[in-house]
Amino acid sequence: QVQLVESGGGVVQPGRSLRLSCEASGFTFSTYAMHWVRQAPGKGLEWVALISYDGDNKYYADSVRGRFTISRDNSKNTLYLQMHTLRAEDTAVFYCARALGGTYFRGGDFWGQGTLVTVSS
Amino acid sequence: QFALTQPASVSGSPGQSITISCTGTSSDVGAYNYVSWYQQHPGKAPKLVISDVSHRPAGVSNRFSGSKSGNTASLTISGLQPEDEATYYCSSYTSSSPWVFGGGTKLTVL
Repeated sequence: QVQLVESGGGVVQPGRSLRLSCEASGFTFSTYAMHWVRQAPGKGLEWVALISYDGDNKYYADSVRGRFTISRDNSKNTLYLQMHTLRAEDTAVFYCARALGGTYFRGGDFWGQGTLVTVSS
Repeated sequence: QFALTQPASVSGSPGQSITISCTGTSSDVGAYNYVSWYQQHPGKAPKLVISDVSHRPAGVSNRFSGSKSGNTASLTISGLQPEDEATYYCSSYTSSSPWVFGGGTKLTVL
């Protein structure tokens, strides 16, 4: 069965960096585009970033472009989100999600359980 | 704010039907048949219940159905059950972003 397990969250001071990981299993990771989506406490869902199956194409929300970098290692079945210059408003649960049908257009089907990032001094 | 507009809350009694609307524009909901709906219980990850406007993934109850008219998509849940109580999010592809969401609708089963 499809499994996505995020890790790397924690408490970090404003302006610092953090890297999240998402380990995938139960499907051929290297053939699927992948998303990161976040959810601030008590708020709705916000798409963060998308990476193509081969890592060649990357897309970002305006709110994180230039600060966050999405990447993947298909040999390790792992998706990453490198976050720099973190702000209080980045505080959220971060989910990785498999792109539905492997495409860019259809949103996601399977989601991980999420990892909480808290930006606070 | 959120690109897609949903009512903040809806409610219904067990056995009844409810419909949640999701209003976008001609650049998202109205332009593409890539509307999805997600169910999220408190403290849990979202779960896909409808994709591509009206497609129900394997394992999702046939009490869930989706439709679209113009710039507005809808999720209908028939025969409400207590376990349907959750927050529901719509989403769509847009001409400027791969994935945008509505603000979520909290469903209360009375």
